[in-house]
Amino acid sequence: DADVTQTPRNRITKTGKRIMLECSQTKGHDRMYWYRQDPGLGLRLIYYSFDVKDINKGEISDGYSVSRQAQAKFSLSLESAIPNQTALYFCATSLAGAADTQYFGPGTRLTVL
Amino acid sequence: AQKVTQAQTEISVVEKEDVTLDCVYETRDTTYYLFWYKQPPSGELVFLIRRNSFDEQNEISGRYSWNFQKSTSSFNFTITASQVVDSAVYFCALSSRNYGGSQGNLIFGKGTKLSVKP
Repeated sequence: DADVTQTPRNRITKTGKRIMLECSQTKGHDRMYWYRQDPGLGLRLIYYSFDVKDINKGEISDGYSVSRQAQAKFSLSLESAIPNQTALYFCATSLAGAADTQYFGPGTRLTVL
Repeated sequence: AQKVTQAQTEISVVEKEDVTLDCVYETRDTTYYLFWYKQPPSGELVFLIRRNSFDEQNEISGRYSWNFQKSTSSFNFTITASQVVDSAVYFCALSSRNYGGSQGNLIFGKGTKLSVKP
């Protein structure tokens, strides 16, 4: 089984709908991250969490919210989806600090019509 | 400011050619870490290598090698005798202990798309 899983893997929704993307990990890592990938822009950080009680905004947090339900679970919500949130979303985990490798989930492809 | 530049947007080679993907970084920190990830057409991100700022030794893993040079702030990636399966987007990334109070977050380059043709 994969260490970092994301659900759903693909989602098509309409403008204004609320969407939740979920991430689970079995690596036992404290840190979890949400990124979005747009063609030609690389990956940009949306939110990150150092532990259940520590959640921080990343580079592009506007329009998103997150919930860290447990060490192993980190959810990303789009309260009212808009077309420019169409992207590939990745969850990642790492053990602790800067030296530690981030391991990525398989990604969720979200399309907002 | 922290920044990673991958100037090559796309590279196309013929199988068995050697190819080098460039990565130039900027950071004020003295302790930092550099990474390469591979994103094949299937979309997942695969970790390839991590290098810390105190270790400038080149690394070789099979057909892959990495050249880290602090003097030029570069961490280049070479694939020797490329194969069709090497076709992917490759990302270089940087993290540091002291970046903006959010230690450990990755700053990604925009990626280089490598196409290896048979």
